[in-house]
Amino acid sequence: SQQGEEDPQALSIQEGENATMNCSYKTSINNLQWYRQNSGRGLVHLILIRSNEREKHSGRLRVTLDTSKKSSSLLITASRAADTASYFCATEGDNYGQNFVFGPGTRLSVLP
Amino acid sequence: EAGVTQSPTHLIKTRGQQATLRCSPISGHTSVYWYQQALGLGLQFLLWYDEGEERNRGNFPPRFSGRQFPNYSSELNVNALELEDSALYLCASSSQTGWNQPQHFGDGTRLSIL
Repeated sequence: SQQGEEDPQALSIQEGENATMNCSYKTSINNLQWYRQNSGRGLVHLILIRSNEREKHSGRLRVTLDTSKKSSSLLITASRAADTASYFCATEGDNYGQNFVFGPGTRLSVLP
Repeated sequence: EAGVTQSPTHLIKTRGQQATLRCSPISGHTSVYWYQQALGLGLQFLLWYDEGEERNRGNFPPRFSGRQFPNYSSELNVNALELEDSALYLCASSSQTGWNQPQHFGDGTRLSIL
């Protein structure tokens, strides 16, 4: 079963605009992580938010977590062309803490 | 600090052959994870090694196997290659075992099955 699932699948915005991506998951978690992947490259860790945290910031990134709705969002403010990438959320899988599940990702295109 | 390195960058094989992919974690990292990323799809968890032991494996057939060496580097072996094994194989490492740590990824091995 798909634990983390991002929405939308693809997003296209102009430079300077904000981009919001959402992630839903099914089971209880200890934490949720967001990663970025540039085309053909490995993933880069962005933020880890723990289940007892509601919001976390890192530079132009803001992550929220709503455990009651089993959802998280990633906001990128003042987007740049260099933010063009795929963004994934990741959580523990159904086998609690023993299996790592990444969602299918949101493909973000930032147009100059 | 050197990042996670994977070799080879690209690998071309034919159906039925065997492939070996290698991963060197960040120095000091003891946990190594392997993922398969088919074209346009998300990552599928393959294997997790820590301190030389296999801690867990994803929903893949037994022809996907691996090992972790005393220096914490790791090897992924895929036997009896099938066309659907064509994918980007990513290795990641973390400083402590378990899911509470960020994973640091290499740039992957692109495996193509002809």
